[in-house]
Amino acid sequence: DARVTQTPRHKVTEMGQEVTMRCQPILGHNTVFWYRQTMMQGLELLAYFRNRAPLDDSGMPKDRFSAEMPDATLATLKIQPSEPRDSAVYFCASAHPRLAAQGTQYFGPGTRLLVL
Amino acid sequence: EDQVTQSPEALRLQEGESSSLNCSYTVSGLRGLFWYRQDPGKGPEFLFTLYSAGEEKEKERLKATLTKKESFLHITAPKPEDSATYLCAVQWETSGSRLTFGEGTQLTVNP
Repeated sequence: DARVTQTPRHKVTEMGQEVTMRCQPILGHNTVFWYRQTMMQGLELLAYFRNRAPLDDSGMPKDRFSAEMPDATLATLKIQPSEPRDSAVYFCASAHPRLAAQGTQYFGPGTRLLVL
Repeated sequence: EDQVTQSPEALRLQEGESSSLNCSYTVSGLRGLFWYRQDPGKGPEFLFTLYSAGEEKEKERLKATLTKKESFLHITAPKPEDSATYLCAVQWETSGSRLTFGEGTQLTVNP
């Protein structure tokens, strides 16, 4: 059963600390998305990659957030320094090359982040 | 600004009571409209893709339809296991693979 995996599932940290979230996309999926979900803003796209290259990171605060794909099996999202307003659920999603342009994305279970 | 609006925000139904959820969008080069289901504590799960006005897709008790300005998700004779948040997302012609999500409709089906 192919799934997107995310670690950690939960993270509590203090303001100013670095946070790293990891995602393993489904094997064979070449497009990876990072989303943030909050009660106030809903589900927002932060950035996405195709074949490990960033295509759109316009939704990401550039001063503190960074996203990378060191290889095809790992995507990372870092926040440094973290702030209380970053508290949210962060989802990773991946898409098959044939389906990426068609909006069919497979979401991971999310990382629930709380910054105190 | 391209927007996606869902209504109602929340809907409570009795088991077997059919209803519809709405998703409206600004008209500016729609490439596709997508419905996702999200259960508490989980990531969204893909349900349907619609590309052109008049198109319909069905899956079990759910049917999605599309017009030039909105989409409906019809739920026929719902069961408690249909309780979830239903998210609508739009992909614009100029936005690559980016999806713009609505706020969602939280559906509760009581037995």
